[in-house]
Amino acid sequence: GNSVTQMEGPVTLSEEAFLTINCTYTATGYPSLFWYVQYPGEGLQLLLKATKADDKGSNKGFEATYRKETTSFHLEKGSVQVSDSAVYFCALSDGTSYDKVIFGPGTSLSVIP
Amino acid sequence: EAGVAQSPRYKIIEKRQSVAFWCNPISGHATLYWYQQILGQGPKLLIQFQNNGVVDDSQLPKDRFSAERLKGVDSTLKIQPAKLEDSAVYLCASSSDSNYGYTFGSGTRLTVV
Repeated sequence: GNSVTQMEGPVTLSEEAFLTINCTYTATGYPSLFWYVQYPGEGLQLLLKATKADDKGSNKGFEATYRKETTSFHLEKGSVQVSDSAVYFCALSDGTSYDKVIFGPGTSLSVIP
Repeated sequence: EAGVAQSPRYKIIEKRQSVAFWCNPISGHATLYWYQQILGQGPKLLIQFQNNGVVDDSQLPKDRFSAERLKGVDSTLKIQPAKLEDSAVYLCASSSDSNYGYTFGSGTRLTVV
């Protein structure tokens, strides 16, 4: 079945450091891929998405490129801020009728000043 | 547009008691989802509605959980009787097309003691 694997956390970075959170997926067909973010005490928010191979999703300085050949969708940011501290979830939607979104386990990020 | 509304925000109950959660999705969103998020894990889909019909409830513990979506708008999730392992955040989400991502509510944090 479809599944999402993420790098284990927690990840701790200093402010202005480069961020990479790895995500790989297993799916039949051509899924859409997402990154969601969950700030402390809040619900999940869609951060970015990509709907086909080689698409790059971007938002708030974060980027991720849909790599079909490596089944990956790694999240990157060039310079993190304290306000980026949150849990990040990689997810996929398999694109079938009445499809559902399957989430990875999440990666906790802490950015220290 | 208004977001997905959920209530209550927090709930503490004793095991074997019953509890109900309410969700009002974004207006016009045909698909509504209930997810269970246990601390430290990614959200797990419990049930998915398309309008007022169930399209996926394969991971809903039907001996104790029930959900309905009357008139294809708001929805109620019920647990009766609750167990300690039901302690989690219950997230409601809605979408018009899952390939473009969901909108989540802030969730209900349930503690069973």
